[in-house]
Amino acid sequence: GESVGLHLPTLSVQEGDNSIINCAYSNSASDYFIWYKQESGKGPQFIIDIRSNMDKRQGQRVTVLLNKTVKHLSLQIAATQPGDSAVYFCAEKRDDKIIFGKGTRLHILP
Amino acid sequence: KAGVTQTPRYLIKTRGQQVTLSCSPISGHRSVSWYQQTPGQGLQFLFEYFSETQRNKGNFPGRFSGRQFSNSRSEMNVSTLELGDSALYLCASSFGTTLNTGELFFGEGSRLTVL
Repeated sequence: GESVGLHLPTLSVQEGDNSIINCAYSNSASDYFIWYKQESGKGPQFIIDIRSNMDKRQGQRVTVLLNKTVKHLSLQIAATQPGDSAVYFCAEKRDDKIIFGKGTRLHILP
Repeated sequence: KAGVTQTPRYLIKTRGQQVTLSCSPISGHRSVSWYQQTPGQGLQFLFEYFSETQRNKGNFPGRFSGRQFSNSRSEMNVSTLELGDSALYLCASSFGTTLNTGELFFGEGSRLTVL
């Protein structure tokens, strides 16, 4: 199937620290990217999106950075909390479809 | 406002059988997308429906089909089940199509086990 690539499958972060989740994409024509969060037993939940005409977009405690030169996307979570524990997916719009990466599991250490 | 509702939540089938999964989108949402989620392949796009028409289709065999009704509710069907079809099937709705938005609202999924 189709998927967007990810750098790391698991990330462990101390509670209160900032988390950075990375994602690489291959299609230089992609112009829209989204981050989703999936908690155990639930469906993915939209976090934030960014269009290719932007380099950075901020939400509540989250920032998405887009580097089109190296085709790299990152999600930064400030002051990570236990409730942030989940699998995070980056997704891109490709051929008018939303295509998801395989996900990064974020572990919060007490 | 009620979220996306998927039924059944869990089901067990045997190889060769068929299965139908149902999805009720958020009220007012006209687009429904289906995804298959497995540990090995992640979330894979199956198809998207809008106003009872299939807008887009992923790379799945013809055994996988779907439809959308006039009230935007959607069903997907998998015929001649194989062991590899065991997965969590997720439905997502959105107000507009994925042409205009990437904000999908997902249900909790239907977990299919094929024995």
